[in-house]
Amino acid sequence: EAQVTQNPRYLITVTGKKLTVTCSQNMNHEYMSWYRQDPGLGLRQIYYSMNVEVTDKGDVPEGYKVSRKEKRNFPLILESPSPNQTSLYFCASSLPGHKYNEQFFGPGTRLTVL
Amino acid sequence: QKEVEQNSGPLSVPEGAIASLNCTYSDRGSQSFFWYRQYSGKSPELIMFIYSNGDKEDGRFTAQLNKASQYVSLLIRDSQPSDSATYLCAALTSGTYKYIFGTGTRLKVLA
Repeated sequence: EAQVTQNPRYLITVTGKKLTVTCSQNMNHEYMSWYRQDPGLGLRQIYYSMNVEVTDKGDVPEGYKVSRKEKRNFPLILESPSPNQTSLYFCASSLPGHKYNEQFFGPGTRLTVL
Repeated sequence: QKEVEQNSGPLSVPEGAIASLNCTYSDRGSQSFFWYRQYSGKSPELIMFIYSNGDKEDGRFTAQLNKASQYVSLLIRDSQPSDSATYLCAALTSGTYKYIFGTGTRLKVLA
């Protein structure tokens, strides 16, 4: 089944404790992206990647890191989480090179930073 | 700052009516536009995309794009209670592969 998976789905942590949220897709998509969704602010893009070893900042990259060492995986790293990073996070993937490509979203990770 | 704006709603329509959802965007160079549906607690799913001026129809859904007015809309005909969800408008910005999403319009279809 074609899908984007994220782990963990729920995470409660404390300020400053490094964490990684994994994202994996099995559709051989070049393009992958991370979003956060907050009430009243909608979906905001954190980082995106056009292909292996190619990443770029979205609109809200501060406090986050990403890496793209393999095509299928695109982990989101919070080196020192803070309460303002409490949010619902979505990973998405698609084929690039088409101006009308569809993004497939993962199920989401609900993160709470105390 | 490139923006996509939507009325947050809720937009309430009776079952069987036409629901009209609207979106404006600030980046005149944006070329592709997307409508996603998101049920509460779930991930967004694509309903329609459009990149040419005019109308695009798919079943009960019609997307409309007016690049001169920087305006995108989604019409849902014969609205059903199962259409009740938040609808997100998104633009693929010019020169990059950055997506800008609106804050979403909550639609309630009343049985």
